Amino acid sequence: LAKTTQPISMDSYEGQEVNITCSHNNIATNDYITWYQQFPSQGPRFIIQGYKTKVTNEVASLFIPADRKSSTLSLPRVSLSDTAVYYCLVVRPMDSSYKLIFGSGTRLLVRP
Amino acid sequence: GAVVSQHPSWVICKSGTSVKIECRSLDFQATTMFWYRQFPKQSLMLMATSNEGSKATYEQGVEKDKFLINHASLTLSTLTVTSAHPEDSSFYICSAAGRVPQETQYFGPGTRLLVL
Repeated sequence: LAKTTQPISMDSYEGQEVNITCSHNNIATNDYITWYQQFPSQGPRFIIQGYKTKVTNEVASLFIPADRKSSTLSLPRVSLSDTAVYYCLVVRPMDSSYKLIFGSGTRLLVRP
Repeated sequence: GAVVSQHPSWVICKSGTSVKIECRSLDFQATTMFWYRQFPKQSLMLMATSNEGSKATYEQGVEKDKFLINHASLTLSTLTVTSAHPEDSSFYICSAAGRVPQETQYFGPGTRLLVL
């Protein structure tokens, strides 16, 4: 599975847009990119998933360039409640099951 | 998104006892369930993958006789920590996925295990 690299931590302020970039240089053709959010003592929560170009939902946007070697999670107008750890994962479908290998994630701190 | 529950949410036990943790997919059929362990300030570590009706596949370094996994139905998987020791104290999280390979994994809320 492609290894992912993302910043260990980021600081932001309420109301700002936050962009977290993840590099995955060894991504394979069939792999897709998924982002999860985790609060302390809770299970991760799915944020967004994409294969290429741009994906947007009610929570975030995901930008993936043509070479797919990186991706950027964009959180518009963050609030204090967005303080969490954000994980970028490359997922490879294998038959009927697939693994998620979590890296260290990015700890986002949103300040008032 | 889909709902996955875990029970219990936390458990304290004495060293040497066994603890069972249940993971249920409440509103969809999970053909595959995963078990993770997370230590404080660390990332999630995949322990094993289980498909309904078959034996679990354990990650390297995870003792299958220590961590017994049963995936008896499409909505229930259990993890039993046998003869628990203090070093088994951790946050155990399950996730569930449906039939489509690209389908999102949905995570349970986690179970905090403390072994005294």
